[in-house]
Amino acid sequence: ILNVEQSPQSLHVQEGDSTNFTCSFPSSNFYALHWYRWETAKSPEALFVMTLNGDEKKKGRISATLNTKEGYSYLYIKGSQPEDSATYLCAFSGSARQLTFGSGTQLTVLP
Amino acid sequence: EAGVAQSPRYKIIEKRQSVAFWCNPISGHATLYWYQQILGQGPKLLIQFQNNGVVDDSQLPKDRFSAERLKGVDSTLKIQPAKLEDSAVYLCASSFNLYSYEQYFGPGTRLTVT
Repeated sequence: ILNVEQSPQSLHVQEGDSTNFTCSFPSSNFYALHWYRWETAKSPEALFVMTLNGDEKKKGRISATLNTKEGYSYLYIKGSQPEDSATYLCAFSGSARQLTFGSGTQLTVLP
Repeated sequence: EAGVAQSPRYKIIEKRQSVAFWCNPISGHATLYWYQQILGQGPKLLIQFQNNGVVDDSQLPKDRFSAERLKGVDSTLKIQPAKLEDSAVYLCASSFNLYSYEQYFGPGTRLTVT
């Protein structure tokens, strides 16, 4: 059974704060690491797919890093805005390409 | 490009009743997935289809859950009879094929079993 863990489970920050979350995953049989953003009543939206050790991806104020040797990824949000409030999910993909999700980090950005 | 469509969006049933969910994937996507997301947990894969064939249903509780994708396009997931612990969001996702990086998700169906 694959174990993908995310921390923290939930987070409340003030508008303008920067924040980061952690995802840990098995370092063996690694194919890709995915980050999704899931807003209430909407479809989970893909943020990043990372495949190579040392990968860094950026989209606007959100960025992510990947360390496949030690089995972790960080997601950073710079200058959080209320519209960033969502659950952030990471998912590990092995050679079978199936996704194993962590339980998510629920972010609330207070105005 | 239209996204993954799911219906209904919400459903409330009593335990021991039956329920069915429908999913229409992105046009041209051969691979379709059903996930169950219980509150406080991450989505868990229930079943994966490639066209109209089942690739993996190892985590599908087959005594009460069934799924089909008869024409290799849209899919139906059924629960019969439902239990209280089936209360969850049921997500459908699709990808171009088995080797694709990306899976595209629908908005889900939130099921409450009372």
